[in-house]
Amino acid sequence: EAGVAQSPRYKIIEKRQSVAFWCNPISGHATLYWYQQILGQGPKLLIQFQNNGVVDDSQLPKDRFSAERLKGVDSTLKIQPAKLEDSAVYLCASSGRGRVEQYFGPGTRLTVT
Amino acid sequence: AQSVAQPEDQVNVAEGNPLTVKCTYSVSGNPYLFWYVQYPNRGLQFLLKYITGDNLVKGSYGFEAEFNKSQTSFHLKKPSALVSDSALYFCAVGRNYGQNFVFGPGTRLSVLP
Repeated sequence: EAGVAQSPRYKIIEKRQSVAFWCNPISGHATLYWYQQILGQGPKLLIQFQNNGVVDDSQLPKDRFSAERLKGVDSTLKIQPAKLEDSAVYLCASSGRGRVEQYFGPGTRLTVT
Repeated sequence: AQSVAQPEDQVNVAEGNPLTVKCTYSVSGNPYLFWYVQYPNRGLQFLLKYITGDNLVKGSYGFEAEFNKSQTSFHLKKPSALVSDSALYFCAVGRNYGQNFVFGPGTRLSVLP
């Protein structure tokens, strides 16, 4: 089966600009996660969706970050406006019904200058 | 709240020797424990999990991990290291199906030829 797809793979923007990332989970996976991985650290959850509903967004900086999962399949994460400290790899993961392990996409490396 | 510690930033081992990457956790209730591996410019790959049952779990690429409830540890092991095992390893803990993970900071494993 195809894995989790993410695009773009790399993005460079200036601070105060906006950026969007796209994720397509493994087919049939109801749960989708967005993580932020800052260099030298483990991934940190930003938001978790179950189908098209938000389960946990407690660590999402809602003043600048937003995410949606229309139709319960693919998802978009947006940052507006970006700050220097948003430079990180943004990872998308999904998990299937009755399965606890998550499967990760290749990530989007964001550099904010 | 859940937390994970990986006490070693870096582990060096000679090819053919056994390897251990350490992980300790803190969680209320029964833990769900995971190991993931990350190669450069790649997403995280699932190695193995412990949910319940036998304390020794076997996973991908010859890796195994031992759950020790009294020491709240879940160390990753491999009997004979390969140069290709060189990567970043993350331990993660969860509490329930569909819940997000908390990841450790990662341990960089270098297998020397």
